Amino acid sequence: DAKTTQPNSMESNEEEPVHLPCNHSTISGTDYIHWYRQLPSQGPEYVIHGLTSNVNNRMASLAIAEDRKSSTLILHRATLRDAAVYYCILRAPNNNDMRFGAGTRLTVKP
Amino acid sequence: EAGVAQSPRYKIIEKRQSVAFWCNPISGHATLYWYQQILGQGPKLLIQFQNNGVVDDSQLPKDRFSAERLKGVDSTLKIQPAKLEDSAVYLCASSLEPGSPLHFGNGTRLTVT
Repeated sequence: DAKTTQPNSMESNEEEPVHLPCNHSTISGTDYIHWYRQLPSQGPEYVIHGLTSNVNNRMASLAIAEDRKSSTLILHRATLRDAAVYYCILRAPNNNDMRFGAGTRLTVKP
Repeated sequence: EAGVAQSPRYKIIEKRQSVAFWCNPISGHATLYWYQQILGQGPKLLIQFQNNGVVDDSQLPKDRFSAERLKGVDSTLKIQPAKLEDSAVYLCASSLEPGSPLHFGNGTRLTVT
């Protein structure tokens, strides 16, 4: 399985943008890039996913490098409720396999 | 829509005892997963079902763990006998179809003493 590398932790100030990086240098041409987050005492929740083009939804934006070897999850205005562990996961299109790494723990300061 | 339901929320047992966890996925979701999450780590896939058939159980410790999915809907995960290292949160997730996002329950926190 292709692996991802994320920083262990990041800090942000409330109402400022947050850029969470993910490196995936061994990504295959058909792997999708998925992001999930896990709030304290909850199961992970889906945030966003993409293949090649940048993606936007109500929760976040996903910026994918042209060579697809890295991506960035963008929270446009962090709130205290965005404090969570964020996971970047590669997923083959016909494969349900979802394997999580350690993720990035985001702390949001008021 | 109702989310993924799991019970119990918490369970404390002694080592060598047995324990079972129950999961009710979102209605209509064909794929069901069980994950184990040890404190400070990301979730680790234990077993994946497609309807009532096992797709992947390569990381399930089959000498003590077992799982079934009844009629392709509810699922139970059992540990018999439990060890101290089984202390973790056990998460159930479901997805509508291959490639669609996973929906997780809030998990069962197991403490083995």
